[in-house]
Amino acid sequence: AQSVTQPDIHITVSEGASLELRCNYSYGATPYLFWYVQSPGQGLQLLLKYFSGDTLVQGIKGFEAEFKRSQSSFNLRKPSVHWSDAAEYFCAVGEYNFNKFYFGSGTKLNVKP
Amino acid sequence: NAGVMQNPRHLVRRRGQEARLRCSPMKGHSHVYWYRQLPEEGLKFMVYLQKENIIDESGMPKERFSAEFPKEGPSILRIQQVVRGDSAAYFCASSPGGASYEQYFGPGTRLTVT
Repeated sequence: AQSVTQPDIHITVSEGASLELRCNYSYGATPYLFWYVQSPGQGLQLLLKYFSGDTLVQGIKGFEAEFKRSQSSFNLRKPSVHWSDAAEYFCAVGEYNFNKFYFGSGTKLNVKP
Repeated sequence: NAGVMQNPRHLVRRRGQEARLRCSPMKGHSHVYWYRQLPEEGLKFMVYLQKENIIDESGMPKERFSAEFPKEGPSILRIQQVVRGDSAAYFCASSPGGASYEQYFGPGTRLTVT
């Protein structure tokens, strides 16, 4: 069965430090992978997506993610975190026919001044 | 171009009442998805609809929950005889379908059952 694991429930980083949020998936076919960000009380905003091609994808707000098939991972990175990045981040896998997404349980990012 | 709209944003119901949640997809989008987010959890797929058709309802509870997406008007998620366990945030997403696979999410409806 398809599943997405985000092993870190909470992460705290200092402003200006680098960030990596982990995501592992279980999916039988070629995955379609997404990262979303959710600010408190808000909906989800798409940060980036991977369908095929270059395994390093660039997104909005300076985020990037790398697809590693051998590790079934799609980790999100940012070289220098800003206080406004504090939010909850969700990794998701989309089925080939896109009937549904499977979401991880999320990672809450706290940014220290 | 307005995004996905959901109303109400907050809804309080007593146990046993009905809850109706509305979702207006983005202009030009004919695919609608409903997800439920329980506290401290990720989003769980509930149902996928196209105009006048339910395509996949494998995530919907078998009883008390129903969804529709009529030819005209918003998509409706209906919960009958609500219970405390229905308290959650319900998100709607829309997609144009075809070659574009992104889902665009609305701000959600936060349902509280007292």
